Amino acid sequence: DSGVTQTPKHLITATGQRVTLRCSPRSGDLSVYWYQQSLDQGLQFLIQYYNGEERAKGNILERFSAQQFPDLHSELNLSSLELGDSALYFCASSAPRKGAESEAFFGQGTRLTVV
Amino acid sequence: AQSVTQLGSHVSVSEGALVLLRCNYSSSVPPYLFWYVQYPNQGLQLLLKYTSAATLVKGINGFEAEFKKSETSFHLTKPSAHMSDAAEYFCAVSDLTTSGTYKYIFGTGTRLKVLA
Repeated sequence: DSGVTQTPKHLITATGQRVTLRCSPRSGDLSVYWYQQSLDQGLQFLIQYYNGEERAKGNILERFSAQQFPDLHSELNLSSLELGDSALYFCASSAPRKGAESEAFFGQGTRLTVV
Repeated sequence: AQSVTQLGSHVSVSEGALVLLRCNYSSSVPPYLFWYVQYPNQGLQLLLKYTSAATLVKGINGFEAEFKKSETSFHLTKPSAHMSDAAEYFCAVSDLTTSGTYKYIFGTGTRLKVLA
């Protein structure tokens, strides 16, 4: 158990809909990362938050947004869903005080299927 | 920006044989490198990490990796493969962002198959 909790584990929804994925980081971790894993794209970095503030953006679509709340949990919102958005979405957290050598701890992921 | 390249998207070995999974990095500064393993329907789990303290890094489940600056490599090895090692393996590097924090850049992964 990594200590990172993601809900729900599975989500099936229709094209055009909007969903929210939730992540609770490890206790004490201030940084939260979101990744998308699909068969053809591998593990793609989407966005990072640190203590409530957005700190880095990767290949995140404009239809996607995220936020980190004061209790440090994070939500990834995906809207106007398309079939190609079907993927595994991972959340990870890390302890920033160690800097670059700090590893990321991953949740079990949310498998999103858009039909 | 830093990056990693994994050579070979699929590797098959016989049970008991040497496992060698390749990772090369591209970095203008001393990198911090990681190997993760992903079992089916699970998240990524850290196997080991390189933080410049030692070039040969030992990890969990009998895996180790050697940092070779001259070759810009951080290959993952295990002397004797076990059936339970069948999984996908990812090499990663931490990359400094413009805001001063770090994000993780992953390679495309290598799926290891262990043959009985």
